[in-house]
Amino acid sequence: QVQLLESGGGVVQPGGSLTLSCAASGFNFKNYGMHWVRQAPGKGLEWVAFVFYDGTHKYYADSVKGRFTISRDNFRDAHYLQMSSLRPEDTAIYYCAKGSDSGWYFDCWGQGTLVTVSS
Amino acid sequence: QSALTQPRSVSGSPGQSVTISCTGTSSDVGGYNYVSWYQCHPGRAPKLMIYDVSRRPSGVPDRFTGSKSGNTASLTISGLRAEDEADYYCCSYAGSSTGVFGGGTKLTVL
Repeated sequence: QVQLLESGGGVVQPGGSLTLSCAASGFNFKNYGMHWVRQAPGKGLEWVAFVFYDGTHKYYADSVKGRFTISRDNFRDAHYLQMSSLRPEDTAIYYCAKGSDSGWYFDCWGQGTLVTVSS
Repeated sequence: QSALTQPRSVSGSPGQSVTISCTGTSSDVGGYNYVSWYQCHPGRAPKLMIYDVSRRPSGVPDRFTGSKSGNTASLTISGLRAEDEADYYCCSYAGSSTGVFGGGTKLTVL
């Protein structure tokens, strides 16, 4: 059974940094691209970042480009989101999501981890 | 990367059908057959309901159907049930390995 478990959320001051982790199990992790999606309080879902199955290519939403870095460790079946220069508008629940083997969709999601950017 | 446009809310009575629209541009919805739909209940992980415009993952009831015409995709839920009450989001591939979601639609089962 596919499972994704996020960790690393918390409260951070504006301008600060935080790294989120996503531990995967139940599937052949190294064969799939992985995503981060977030949901600000009272707002809709927003795609944040994507990393290829082998970590060679990484893509970001304009809203986080230059501040966030996605990465993965196929030996640990985990992927990460390093967030820096955090802003209050980055406050959200961050979900990791498993990418599809073709097309563009997210067929499994974690429960999410809350990041609060506040002084 | 502008959000796709969805109605804020829709409603229907048990047994009825409702349709949720998702409007984008030729750079996302209209340009690719990669529209997906997600059901979100508070406090729970989002659930994939439709992918590749009209395909259903195993376990999703055939009451849920997806379609697309031009720059607008649609999710139709027939035979509404109380447990269908949730927020629904569309998502489209937007090129260059990026994606964009809709603003979400709250479905109320009356």
